[in-house]
Amino acid sequence: AQSVAQPEDQVNVAEGNPLTVKCTYSVSGNPYLFWYVQYPNRGLQFLLKYITGDNLVKGSYGFEAEFNKSQTSFHLKKPSALVSDSALYFCAVRPRLLSGGYNKLIFGAGTRLAVHP
Amino acid sequence: DAMVIQNPRYQVTQFGKPVTLSCSQTLNHNVMYWYQQKSSQAPKLLFHYYDKDFNNEADTPDNFQSRRPNTSFCFLDIRSPGLGDAAMYLCATSRGGTTGSRNEQFFGPGTRLTVL
Repeated sequence: AQSVAQPEDQVNVAEGNPLTVKCTYSVSGNPYLFWYVQYPNRGLQFLLKYITGDNLVKGSYGFEAEFNKSQTSFHLKKPSALVSDSALYFCAVRPRLLSGGYNKLIFGAGTRLAVHP
Repeated sequence: DAMVIQNPRYQVTQFGKPVTLSCSQTLNHNVMYWYQQKSSQAPKLLFHYYDKDFNNEADTPDNFQSRRPNTSFCFLDIRSPGLGDAAMYLCATSRGGTTGSRNEQFFGPGTRLTVL
């Protein structure tokens, strides 16, 4: 079965320190990879995605993610965390179809990031 | 700004009383989705429309229905809400097409449904 794993329910980091939120996936082929963030009582906001090319993808709010094909991972990173980054982060994967069409997103369970002053 | 709008933001209904949640978008996206999200869990896809084509997820209860009268609007109807249907309901849109799978989804702010 295809799945996405976010091994940490919660990540705690001090403001100003680098942060990493982990994501690994088990999806056949070369899927598209996404990160979304959700603030309390809000919908999900798109942060970044990997389609092809450079393994380091830069996104919104200073976030970036590193794609590692051999480890089937797509970890989210930020060099210097802010208290305002505290939120729920979801990794999502969509299988790549050769002939277009539609495949649904497969979400990880989410990781709550807490950045302390 | 182009966006996805959901109304109402908070909805209270009684057990068994039908309720309709609405979603509109100004992005002109041809794919619209409805998700159910419970207490900080991952969103669970209920169904989606690709243009006018309705696609139901296999495990979506019959209690949940949807309508898409035009490109901009999509409705979620819960025919007989139970206590277990209390959740955040998220609407999302994306551009379809032959490269549609690479396109991110844009989410609305959600409607929080309370069932009394």
